[in-house]
Amino acid sequence: NAGVTQTPKFRVLKTGQSMTLLCAQDMNHEYMYWYRQDPGMGLRLIHYSVGEGTTAKGEVPDGYNVSRLKKQNFLLGLESAAPSQTSVYFCASSYDPRGGDTQYFGPGTRLTVL
Amino acid sequence: GENVEQHPSTLSVQEGDSAVIKCTYSDSASNYFPWYKQELGKRPQLIIDIRSNVGEKKDQRIAVTLNKTAKHFSLHITETQPEDSAVYFCAASKLYTGNQFYFGTGTSLTVIP
Repeated sequence: NAGVTQTPKFRVLKTGQSMTLLCAQDMNHEYMYWYRQDPGMGLRLIHYSVGEGTTAKGEVPDGYNVSRLKKQNFLLGLESAAPSQTSVYFCASSYDPRGGDTQYFGPGTRLTVL
Repeated sequence: GENVEQHPSTLSVQEGDSAVIKCTYSDSASNYFPWYKQELGKRPQLIIDIRSNVGEKKDQRIAVTLNKTAKHFSLHITETQPEDSAVYFCAASKLYTGNQFYFGTGTSLTVIP
């Protein structure tokens, strides 16, 4: 049971490049989330999903897209990276019918956009 | 939407003293309040949570209190140890809705040996 995993751990992009971050969970959780964490800003929700095939916008969705084609995977895409997207990105999952809504976080992806 | 405010942003205590971190929320429908600890370079990890049907919950040296009327909740750490040094985040959510978790901006706790 690996919990929540993220790929890659680190990435450096040039402005205008695109990339996809992969989040995977093996806990059969229904809900998955993408956050970004910036100094002094806490965790801000980018997009989330309440089930396979569904996605919704969070607090800071601009410049990002997501897809949830399989229940265990949640992908975050940056179509044209900007320096303002330099951040640490965390994926999380929740909803275990036995345990409520506790969120479990992945290890994070540190993204730098030059 | 929900707005969660967290204070203080930084906190230094002597080893063995207590630390208290406070959060307020705006949405009276929120009913689940977790606290996360994040060590440098690591992921946030749940340390304790409370649901709106209880006023206090304890787990060894950690306790959380909730005042639904005033819409605030607090984390209490007693007998602090250097390994308690980390950033602590509060959050508010609505159970079983898959809804958004709203996080506070974090408190950087330093325990001085």
